[in-house]
Amino acid sequence: NAGVTQTPKFQVLKTGQSMTLQCAQDMNHEYMSWYRQDPGMGLRLIHYSVGAGITDQGEVPNGYNVSRSTTEDFPLRLLSAAPSQTSVYFCASSYAAPSEQFFGPGTRLTVL
Amino acid sequence: KNEVEQSPQNLTAQEGEFITINCSYSVGISALHWLQQHPGGGIVSLFMLSSGKKKHGRLIATINIQEKHSSLHITASHPRDSAVYICAPRGGSQGNLIFGKGTKLSVKP
Repeated sequence: NAGVTQTPKFQVLKTGQSMTLQCAQDMNHEYMSWYRQDPGMGLRLIHYSVGAGITDQGEVPNGYNVSRSTTEDFPLRLLSAAPSQTSVYFCASSYAAPSEQFFGPGTRLTVL
Repeated sequence: KNEVEQSPQNLTAQEGEFITINCSYSVGISALHWLQQHPGGGIVSLFMLSSGKKKHGRLIATINIQEKHSSLHITASHPRDSAVYICAPRGGSQGNLIFGKGTKLSVKP
């Protein structure tokens, strides 16, 4: 099993550009989530999904969109990147919400 | 107001020392996770517990739900234990994780 994979590992964007961070898991997990990690702060939940076709907002959803068309994939879209979105982004999955979380390797995003 | 407080924020130890990292939280929870973030950035789950104590190798995690407090202990610490340790209670209506800021541990040989 590859576990949780994220692409790209690094990305530099200009303000106003759009992009999609990819996340995939091969463990047939129902629960998937996106977090951002900023210096001096704990991980913060952006969006999450409890199964295909079901998504919900987390603590910091503004500026981000998600969809969950399959169990395996949970992409995070930035429609118009802003410097405040410079961060490290982690995708995670678990069998169910209250179970062990498996994290992807992260994507380091810089918005100029 | 931080819902999750970890202490200490930074910890330097000599190899072989017994390490304790504390986590206090203010919300009602169903479980609590301890995570380890390696210097390279990867995050792995160490424990998920809702009561009592769990042990895995040299790592021990305890939780007191009534006192809203959890501790992570490392016995016979080793330089490879150097990492950031993150406490993450699971609470709220959806049961999502709430993360502490982490404790940065450095173990010197």
